[in-house]
Amino acid sequence: NAGVTQTPKFQVLKTGQSMTLQCAQDMNHEYMSWYRQDPGMGLRLIHYSVGAGITDQGEVPNGYNVSRSTTEDFPLRLLSAAPSQTSVYFCASSYLGQGRGETQYFGPGTRLLVL
Amino acid sequence: AQSVAQPEDQVNVAEGNPLTVKCTYSVSGNPYLFWYVQYPNRGLQFLLKYITGDNLVKGSYGFEAEFNKSQTSFHLKKPSALVSDSALYFCAVNYGGSQGNLIFGKGTKLSVKP
Repeated sequence: NAGVTQTPKFQVLKTGQSMTLQCAQDMNHEYMSWYRQDPGMGLRLIHYSVGAGITDQGEVPNGYNVSRSTTEDFPLRLLSAAPSQTSVYFCASSYLGQGRGETQYFGPGTRLLVL
Repeated sequence: AQSVAQPEDQVNVAEGNPLTVKCTYSVSGNPYLFWYVQYPNRGLQFLLKYITGDNLVKGSYGFEAEFNKSQTSFHLKKPSALVSDSALYFCAVNYGGSQGNLIFGKGTKLSVKP
């Protein structure tokens, strides 16, 4: 199993550009999520999904868009990048069987710099 | 509102000494608590979790955590620290309805010196 994979590892954008961060998992997990990590702030939830075709907002959804057409993939789209979106982005996935007790598995992260 | 606090930004320990990384929480209902570790330029790795049952939870790499309901704490411990334990440690609580939305603490940097 590759687990949770993310591409690219690092990206530089100019303000106003758009891009898609890719996330894929091969564990047949129903739940997938995106977090951003900023210094001194821990990780904050952007969007999440409990299955194909089902997405919802987390704590900091503004400026981001998601869709989930397959169980395996959960891309995160930045529609018009802003310097405030400079961050490290992590994708995570888990089963839904134990509900809140399920362990989430994280990808290696994408480091994004918006100039 | 649900929240997690890690009161120490950094913990310094000598190799071989016991270590404690503190975490307190505020949730409504039963808490589902997690510890993750992040090594430099890596993703988060799961260490252990508390769902129910025994208050002392054992996890990966010799770590354990003690759930204390009266003090709303879930401190991470290890009897003998290793230099390789140096990393960023995150406490998290699951707050979502039936799914797995996590709220993370700000993280504690553990530095173990030889």
